[in-house]
Amino acid sequence: AIQMTQSPSSLSASVGDRVTITCRASQGIRDDLGWYQQKPGKAPKLLIYAASTLQSGVPSRFSGSGSDTDFTLTISSLQPEDFATYYCLQDNIYPWTFGQGTKVEIK
Amino acid sequence: EVQLVESGGGLVQPGGSLRVSCAASGLSFSTYWMSWVRQAPGKGLEWVANINQPGNERYYLDSVKGRFTVSRDNAKSSLYLEMNSLRAEDTAVYYCARLLMAAGGPNWFDPWGQGTLVTVSS
Repeated sequence: AIQMTQSPSSLSASVGDRVTITCRASQGIRDDLGWYQQKPGKAPKLLIYAASTLQSGVPSRFSGSGSDTDFTLTISSLQPEDFATYYCLQDNIYPWTFGQGTKVEIK
Repeated sequence: EVQLVESGGGLVQPGGSLRVSCAASGLSFSTYWMSWVRQAPGKGLEWVANINQPGNERYYLDSVKGRFTVSRDNAKSSLYLEMNSLRAEDTAVYYCARLLMAAGGPNWFDPWGQGTLVTVSS
């Protein structure tokens, strides 16, 4: 199975900060990667698919980049509602696999 | 608005069986692939299964193959996950999600239901 390694596992940041989360695949997955946001007690929500396509309705401060094995989720200016856990997901080869998650906390 | 509502979770003994359901509304259910994703308490997300529109193509996580069966009833706009030989490590919130697919990939889950908790314990 393809392993998805997310880093960092957690981070503390302030409102207005630029935040970057990375996801590395154990083998090439083209651009078959999505990013999901999950708040405590809630279902995950799609942010980005195809590595860099912003889902409709998602604020433009979120962006994704990368291909093959290295991917990045960037929040350009962190807002209070962005404090959550973020997961990447590879959908290139079965079994589909998630990264272990990155918890973004208030500094 | 697309809505997915899971039900059927509960407490089951190791080795037991349970069926969870997902009722869909606000979409043409029969035209979409559907999926199950789970999350153990305090842990990350884990993909479990996908099923195609007519229900004759299915994919599973290795650890559930032979024990879990994903199915659907398009007339009822419902998705199911039949779980047999349950183990403690199957304890999780089970989410259903609509699976959107671009020709040749990529694929993505949107939206997700609120989840139903399955607890496997004696």
